[in-house]
Amino acid sequence: GAVVSQHPSWVICKSGTSVKIECRSLDFQATTMFWYRQFPKQSLMLMATSNEGSKATYEQGVEKDKFLINHASLTLSTLTVTSAHPEDSSFYICSSRGRAQNIQYFGAGTRLSVL
Amino acid sequence: AQSVAQPEDQVNVAEGNPLTVKCTYSVSGNPYLFWYVQYPNRGLQFLLKYITGDNLVKGSYGFEAEFNKSQTSFHLKKPSALVSDSALYFCAVRPNQAGTALIFGKGTTLSVSS
Repeated sequence: GAVVSQHPSWVICKSGTSVKIECRSLDFQATTMFWYRQFPKQSLMLMATSNEGSKATYEQGVEKDKFLINHASLTLSTLTVTSAHPEDSSFYICSSRGRAQNIQYFGAGTRLSVL
Repeated sequence: AQSVAQPEDQVNVAEGNPLTVKCTYSVSGNPYLFWYVQYPNRGLQFLLKYITGDNLVKGSYGFEAEFNKSQTSFHLKKPSALVSDSALYFCAVRPNQAGTALIFGKGTTLSVSS
C-alpha cells in the first residue's frame, strides 16, 4: 500500500508553545489530506479536511486558529497546534488520499504531551 | 445522521478459532466500506474494502468481510485467529461523495489467547 510518513512520532512541549506536525505522502500525490484526533481507547475524530492549494475545512467544534493546517503541496500537509495547553494532549493522525483513489492511507500518528 | 456502529467493545477468541467483528452502518446511498487495524501507538493500517461487486471481500493477513446490503452490515471475519491478530479494529464508511472523509466506528478490541 501507499506510504504516509508522519513526524514527529512523539513530542513533549511546554504549555503556551506551538508544535508543528508534518505529514508526507511518499509515493503518491495526495490531493486530499485529513487530520484526526484520537483519545485513549476511542475512535478517530475528524478535525479537518484539506485539498491541495485550498484552505482547510474544519469540523464543527475545532478551532481553526488553534489548529492551523497547511496543505501547500501534493505531498505535504502540516498541522500546527498553536499555544498548546494540556487539554490539547492527544494522539494526532494524518491521512491522505490521492485523486481517484478509494483508500485513505494513514500516518503512524503523533503523540503530543503538553506539560 | 450518518454513523457506523461496532456493537462490541471487545471480542475474545482462542487461537485457531474463527473470529467475527461486527459492523453496521447508517449511510444513505451506496457507500464505500473499509476495515482498518491499529496496533498500540500506531496509525491505522488498511485491511480491506468493499466498493462494488462480490459481497465477500478478501483482504490482508487472511481477513475477509461480508457485505450485506439489506442488513447494512459489513462484518469482518477470519477462519482461524492468530495471537498476532490482537489489535484494535475499526470499521469505516465513506459516503459516496467526492472529497468526503471516512466515518469511523468506535473500534473493537480483538484479543486472541494462546
